[in-house]
Amino acid sequence: DGGITQSPKYLFRKEGQNVTLSCEQNLNHDAMYWYRQDPGQGLRLIYYSQIVNDFQKGDIAEGYSVSREKKESFPLTVTSAQKNPTAFYLCASSSRETQYFGPGTRLLVL
Amino acid sequence: AQSVTQPDIHITVSEGASLELRCNYSYGATPYLFWYVQSPGQGLQLLLKYFSGDTLVQGIKGFEAEFKRSQSSFNLRKPSVHWSDAAEYFCAVGASGGGADGLTFGKGTHLIIQP
Repeated sequence: DGGITQSPKYLFRKEGQNVTLSCEQNLNHDAMYWYRQDPGQGLRLIYYSQIVNDFQKGDIAEGYSVSREKKESFPLTVTSAQKNPTAFYLCASSSRETQYFGPGTRLLVL
Repeated sequence: AQSVTQPDIHITVSEGASLELRCNYSYGATPYLFWYVQSPGQGLQLLLKYFSGDTLVQGIKGFEAEFKRSQSSFNLRKPSVHWSDAAEYFCAVGASGGGADGLTFGKGTHLIIQP
């Protein structure tokens, strides 16, 4: 089945720890995106990548990092610099101006 | 920079009644407009999109939306709601290249269906 997978579904972070969220797509899409969702806030763009080995900061990139070594994969690292990481994280990929979303990862702080 | 306003945080509708969810956008050029739906704890599913052409667009699950440039609006409608329509609905706008640089989302409208 074609689609976007995100893992894990739930992730727990200890204070001072870096954690990495996985996003994989087999839709052959060039562009991929990471959004953060907080209750009552809608979605906000963290990072995006339009092509392999290139990525751009979104509106709230501070405390996050990404890589794009393969077309299929766009992992997001939440670093210890992100002081309020508790949120629902959504990955998307895009073809012909339309973004399709994965099922999300919920990050919680211990 | 573009922005999206969804004026209604919550809307309650009786099953079988009609529905209209409001969306207003701010963008200098012709926008790319989207409506997504999200069930609790899930990702977003695309309902419909507007890029150009006919201003009334049809989507999945019986939804439609109308683009009104003069009012900067892209309201979502459904003639008769079903209990399974209860969810969070997001309006989004894309700028250059249809959102190649990412989408800007409204804060969402929570739809409650009364039996």
